Amino acid sequence: DAGVTQSPTHLIKTRGQHVTLRCSPISGHKSVSWYQQVLGQGPQFIFQYYEKEERGRGNFPDRFSARQFPNYSSELNVNALLLGDSALYLCASSFSGLGANVLTFGAGSRLTVL
Amino acid sequence: DAKTTQPTSMDCAEGRAANLPCNHSTISGNEYVYWYRQIHSQGPQYIIHGLKNNETNEMASLIITEDRKSSTLILPHATLRDTAVYYCIVRVQADSNYQLIWGAGTKLIIKP
Repeated sequence: DAGVTQSPTHLIKTRGQHVTLRCSPISGHKSVSWYQQVLGQGPQFIFQYYEKEERGRGNFPDRFSARQFPNYSSELNVNALLLGDSALYLCASSFSGLGANVLTFGAGSRLTVL
Repeated sequence: DAKTTQPTSMDCAEGRAANLPCNHSTISGNEYVYWYRQIHSQGPQYIIHGLKNNETNEMASLIITEDRKSSTLILPHATLRDTAVYYCIVRVQADSNYQLIWGAGTKLIIKP
């Protein structure tokens, strides 16, 4: 079975541009979470979606948005990119958003903002 | 804010047990402790999790103190492929969702 797949794997943008990152969860998983990992730090929670509804949002500005589609895949959008948005963006899926679930992470999308 | 503190780095000889400590003195009664590891900017890999009792699986053992203020991850027979950054994480409940609160992790280097 395929794991969590993310695209693109690497991308370079300039300040002020917009970026869309995509995530396909493990088959049967209904919850998707997004994390940002700046170099040298642990991941930080951005969003969680379950059954196409936003269930949680971390301490990120409104430039960050996301959505989940009927097939449970998800997109993370970031507008008006800043240099500080350069990071590895991780998507994780789980069967549900509740209980002692284990998150399975994808390999991430590495965003560089110039 | 991170709810865990870990050593920045540790070494361990190949074939020996690697014991990775973690302090989580502000953990609440319903918050789980999770361990993940990350090999050179790949996606984090789940290792183990627990609430109160010690846990063991095919990868590792998790020992949680009785007061739940600290825990230790044990890799029983470390190999070179276990070289990675190990994260001790507290899972907190916020409204209708759960979030993993990550610290800075411990860089574990397994030496031949």
